[in-house]
Order: sequence, then C-alpha cells, then structure tokens
Amino acid sequence: NAGVTQTPKFQVLKTGQSMTLQCAQDMNHEYMSWYRQDPGMGLRLIHYSVGAGITDQGEVPNGYNVSRSTTEDFPLRLLSAAPSQTSVYFCASSASGRSYEQYFGPGTRLTVT
Amino acid sequence: SQQGEEDPQALSIQEGENATMNCSYKTSINNLQWYRQNSGRGLVHLILIRSNEREKHSGRLRVTLDTSKKSSSLLITASRAADTASYFCATDATGANSKLTFGKGITLSVRP
Repeated sequence: NAGVTQTPKFQVLKTGQSMTLQCAQDMNHEYMSWYRQDPGMGLRLIHYSVGAGITDQGEVPNGYNVSRSTTEDFPLRLLSAAPSQTSVYFCASSASGRSYEQYFGPGTRLTVT
Repeated sequence: SQQGEEDPQALSIQEGENATMNCSYKTSINNLQWYRQNSGRGLVHLILIRSNEREKHSGRLRVTLDTSKKSSSLLITASRAADTASYFCATDATGANSKLTFGKGITLSVRP
C-alpha cells in the first residue's frame, strides 16, 4: 500500500493564481481531511469528507474548495491564491472518521508570492 | 481557540533519559490521540486513549488521561536520538459537529 500520497511536494504560486493540491489514498478509507500547518499554530482543519459526495467545512475553509467524487481522491483547490495561504498542507485519511487513527500524507509546501 | 495545548513547548534531554510531555484541553472528549512528526514529514499516529481509559502502553510509550483535570501526558522511556521530533496531541471532542483538534506541538530534542 502506498498509503496517503500528495502531489506536488513543493509549489510556488503568484498572488491570484489558482491550483489544485492532489491527495489520494489506497486504503479504502471513507474519512479524508485537509489541514494546514503554520509555525506556532499547529494543524488547522480546512475541509473534510466522510465519504464520496459528502464534504464539509473545517476551522479555516475560506479560499479553499474541495470535492469528493471517489473514495480514493480528495483534491483541494485554491481559488485565488493569497500570501496568507503560504503554508504546509497535509491530507489525512481514516477508516472510520475523526475518532480514529489518522494517516497523514507527506505534505505539500506552498509558497504564494 | 485550540482545544489541546501541549507543554512544554520545547524539551531537550540526554539519550537514555525519560521524556514527559503534557496536554491540556477544555471540553469533554471521546478520545485523545498523540502523534509524532519528524522534520519535513507528515504526522504519524502513536497512540489513542479513550475517555474511559486511564492509561495505555505501547512499547516505550506510556499515555495517561485524567478527564477530571482535562489533561493527558505522554511518557517516552529510555529516549533515543531517533525520538527527536515534534509531538502533538489531538482531541476528539464530544458532539456531532466537533472536529479532531490538534495542539501546537512540543519539540523534543534527544542529545546523543
């Protein structure tokens, strides 16, 4: 099993550009989530999904969109990048929801100039 | 605001010593989880303790939970240089709309 994979590993965007961070898991997990990690802030939940076709907002959803068309994939879209979105983004999955062990991807380091 | 708050923020110990890290939280929880993050990597799950449990062990890890004080501790015994990492507690608060909330983390340095 590859576990949770994320692409790209690094990305530099200019303010106003859009892009999609990819996340895929091969463990048939229903629950998937996106976090951002900033120095001194810990991890903050952006969006999550409890299964294909179902998504919901987390703590910091503004400026991000998600969709979940398959169990395996959970892409995160930045609509119009801002410097405040410079961060490290982690995707995670779990077999049964937030109350269980989360498997994290390796992260995407995004810089917005 | 953060549900889980770890302390200390940073800890430096000698190899072979024990490391104790604490996590406090504010509201009732279903469970509390501890994760490790090596530099530049994703988080790795270490241990989960449910609200009706008081202590759990996994190898050199010992986790305690005191729901009356709303606190948990993670003890790493006989530390190794490879234990150098950041450690996070994550709380799963009760309530249907609650989210898994991570603290800001503790940076542990184990000197060889």
